[in-house]
Amino acid sequence: DQQVKQNSPSLSVQEGRISILNCDYTNSMFDYFLWYKKYPAEGPTFLISISSIKDKNEDGRFTVFLNKSAKHLSLHIVPSQPGDSAVYFCAAGQAGVGGGADGLTFGKGTHLIIQP
Amino acid sequence: DSGVTQTPKHLITATGQRVTLRCSPRSGDLSVYWYQQSLDQGLQFLIQYYNGEERAKGNILERFSAQQFPDLHSELNLSSLELGDSALYFCASSVEVDNEQFFGPGTRLTVL
Repeated sequence: DQQVKQNSPSLSVQEGRISILNCDYTNSMFDYFLWYKKYPAEGPTFLISISSIKDKNEDGRFTVFLNKSAKHLSLHIVPSQPGDSAVYFCAAGQAGVGGGADGLTFGKGTHLIIQP
Repeated sequence: DSGVTQTPKHLITATGQRVTLRCSPRSGDLSVYWYQQSLDQGLQFLIQYYNGEERAKGNILERFSAQQFPDLHSELNLSSLELGDSALYFCASSVEVDNEQFFGPGTRLTVL
């Protein structure tokens, strides 16, 4: 049972436009959500996160929106740049008791392609 | 560069063998996590250590084990290897209270 789902395996966006990547989750115990970017042959790179007490978090060109009632989050990248072409993973977790996080549950990723 | 290092980068071995993967977390990070990424799967959480103690277990096989040493580096031991164990193995680390995990470059294991 996939607890974190990214239903679009790939997404193609024109350079300069907005990229919107979507993610759905089923486990209501998740209280922390993250987006990672991954290039081939490299480890995932942390992009942005949001805790369940917020509904929006912004960092430069990246904004993550969380809709807890719909168990849905999205990552907006604006404006999209050629260097944004990569696989984007949505991840969710629970803050651990006593500090520290437990393992994250990842979606299978969306391959974002920015076209010039 | 995330600050997390993993060795070796590539490992080729035969079925039935045992290997050890090594991870050094970012300076100051107490938590270490291991993940497996197979060809058709996303990242699967295996196990977490926090300040030397096992803290959480995910989809880790009994043939696999891990430990975290006093200097906080961690090792993942894979034994009785099978073809299906061929995958990328990532290590990640985080500080005590932050949930952001920072990933190493991974070890690509090929079992022939």
